[in-house]
Amino acid sequence: EAGVTQFPSHSVIEKGQTVTLRCDPISGHDNLYWYRRVMGKEIKFLLHFVKESKQDESGMPNNRFLAERTGGTYSTLKVQPAELEDSGVYFCASSQGRVADTQYFGPGTRLTVL
Amino acid sequence: EDQVTQSPEALRLQEGESSSLNCSYTVSGLRGLFWYRQDPGKGPEFLFTLYSAGEEKEKERLKATLTKKESFLHITAPKPEDSATYLCAVRGQNFVFGPGTRLSVLP
Repeated sequence: EAGVTQFPSHSVIEKGQTVTLRCDPISGHDNLYWYRRVMGKEIKFLLHFVKESKQDESGMPNNRFLAERTGGTYSTLKVQPAELEDSGVYFCASSQGRVADTQYFGPGTRLTVL
Repeated sequence: EDQVTQSPEALRLQEGESSSLNCSYTVSGLRGLFWYRQDPGKGPEFLFTLYSAGEEKEKERLKATLTKKESFLHITAPKPEDSATYLCAVRGQNFVFGPGTRLSVLP
């Protein structure tokens, strides 16, 4: 069974540009999460989808971040316009039905904003 | 606010030298405590989920335990391939991760 995949693995952009990160969860997993780790800090929750609906977006830093999940399958996280402090590793995770079900993480996308 | 701390920050062990990693937490309404292993450049890899105080789980050389305030990850007779960062996370209102413990096991 394929795991969680993320694309791209690395992205280097300039301040003010737009970047879109993609996450493909494990097939059949209704829950999809986005997290971010900035340099030297712990992993921080960004938001949680249940199927195509946003269940909790309390961790989204500001309105420059937009997450979508088309048809309850893959998800995208767009940063527009990117700022220097957005640099970090963005992880996606998915889980099955229950709230505290185990989350399976993707390899992450390393974003560098210059 | 839910919080997770982990200690030590880093740990060096000789191969075969058993030890324990600590995860202390404060959370309103614990719905699960998770242990993950993370290798450099990779995403966290699931190890264990614990739901209630007194619960224990084992996998190979690892054993996780849970009390009302903390969890321990016991590593018995570690091998160099156990070297990684071990992350603890709790699920309350949402998921909160600790900073991790960097474990190095020397041959």
